[in-house]
Amino acid sequence: DVKVTQSSRYLVKRTGEKVFLECVQDMDHENMFWYRQDPGLGLRLIYFSYDVKMKEKGDIPEGYSVSREKKERFSLILESASTNQTSMYLCASSETSGGLYEQYFGPGTRLTVT
Amino acid sequence: DQQVKQNSPSLSVQEGRISILNCDYTNSMFDYFLWYKKYPAEGPTFLISISSIKDKNEDGRFTVFLNKSAKHLSLHIVPSQPGDSAVYFCAASWGYNTDKLIFGTGTRLQVFP
Repeated sequence: DVKVTQSSRYLVKRTGEKVFLECVQDMDHENMFWYRQDPGLGLRLIYFSYDVKMKEKGDIPEGYSVSREKKERFSLILESASTNQTSMYLCASSETSGGLYEQYFGPGTRLTVT
Repeated sequence: DQQVKQNSPSLSVQEGRISILNCDYTNSMFDYFLWYKKYPAEGPTFLISISSIKDKNEDGRFTVFLNKSAKHLSLHIVPSQPGDSAVYFCAASWGYNTDKLIFGTGTRLQVFP
């Protein structure tokens, strides 16, 4: 079974702090994704990566950056956390398939910025 | 601009009856559609998918219907069970040039005894 793990289930940070969210997948997938989930807004794509050191902006990249130094690991970085970044953050991975294969999700990190 | 829309934020159905969850899309380039189920405090899990070359796909109690002319898809769950209570997201991709998915806003399904 594909396993996607995220470093923390719950995180509380202060405004202005730098925040790192880590994601690891064990199925040698080329693609990795970061989403945030907010009530009434569904899942919105922040960034995705289709290969090591490659990244593309999603729909809401402002205030975020990412790093992919190894194939299995994809990090989301909040350079200076703000209260409007309080959200559920979900990592996913998938094979390169022209969109024909599903994405596998981690359990999520509930981030609260105070 | 929301390209994938789930206009019903919630749905309540009695156990044993049919649940119908709806999804509309605006981008005619979408050619692959998926449904995910999400329980609280867990990541979404893949449920069922359909390619645009088909109009129906079945997997046990779950059936997805696609009406391309109306840009509409629906998920039917028959019979509904209490364990089906979750948030359901539809998602769409435009296939051959990307592996990105566009998700809808979700519908919370509650199945009561």
